Amino acid sequence: AQSVTQLGSHVSVSEGALVLLRCNYSSSVPPYLFWYVQYPNQGLQLLLKYTTGATLVKGINGFEAEFKKSETSFHLTKPSAHMSDAAEYFCAVSAPGNQFYFGTGTSLTVIP
Amino acid sequence: KAGVTQTPRYLIKTRGQQVTLSCSPISGHRSVSWYQQTPGQGLQFLFEYFSETQRNKGNFPGRFSGRQFSNSRSEMNVSTLELGDSALYLCASSSGQILYNEQFFGPGTRLTVL
Repeated sequence: AQSVTQLGSHVSVSEGALVLLRCNYSSSVPPYLFWYVQYPNQGLQLLLKYTTGATLVKGINGFEAEFKKSETSFHLTKPSAHMSDAAEYFCAVSAPGNQFYFGTGTSLTVIP
Repeated sequence: KAGVTQTPRYLIKTRGQQVTLSCSPISGHRSVSWYQQTPGQGLQFLFEYFSETQRNKGNFPGRFSGRQFSNSRSEMNVSTLELGDSALYLCASSSGQILYNEQFFGPGTRLTVL
């Protein structure tokens, strides 16, 4: 069985500052990991995913995440926040033979 | 290419009634999944259909059911509605296994149960 924990339901950063959204997972088998973003009144959109291979994954809009097996983490980062990054961010995990699990989400506010 | 569409966008029902939500996937996608999104529980997986067969199921009561048609369109039905069923119901389509492929989400159907 798997689970996902997103630390911090609300994160605020200043425009131009580093964005760091935390995600920890538990899985009894090698996981697949995802970050999705949800803008107001819209469905979710894939930012990036890790399945196999390189542990540093680059996604759209300048976001990236690093799979750290020893820390069971998949934190999402962006060097410089833009106003347009304000949204809800969801980490998700899946694995063969198991379901697809989302975290409870982190709401990102960007302060001008 | 048209995205995932869901109808209706908003729905108001009363307790005890039943409701049917519809989802049209991206053309060529054969996998359709349904999720329930609430402020307290976040996004929870309901079930996935692939080629008219339920391929995976979450931990929801039997009041929640679904089906998929030969054109990959999917419907979700909730019977005997409860207040706690008020939520945003999201549909997502994928070209393959949702475990490792991108899912494309629709805008959702907002269900309010009074």
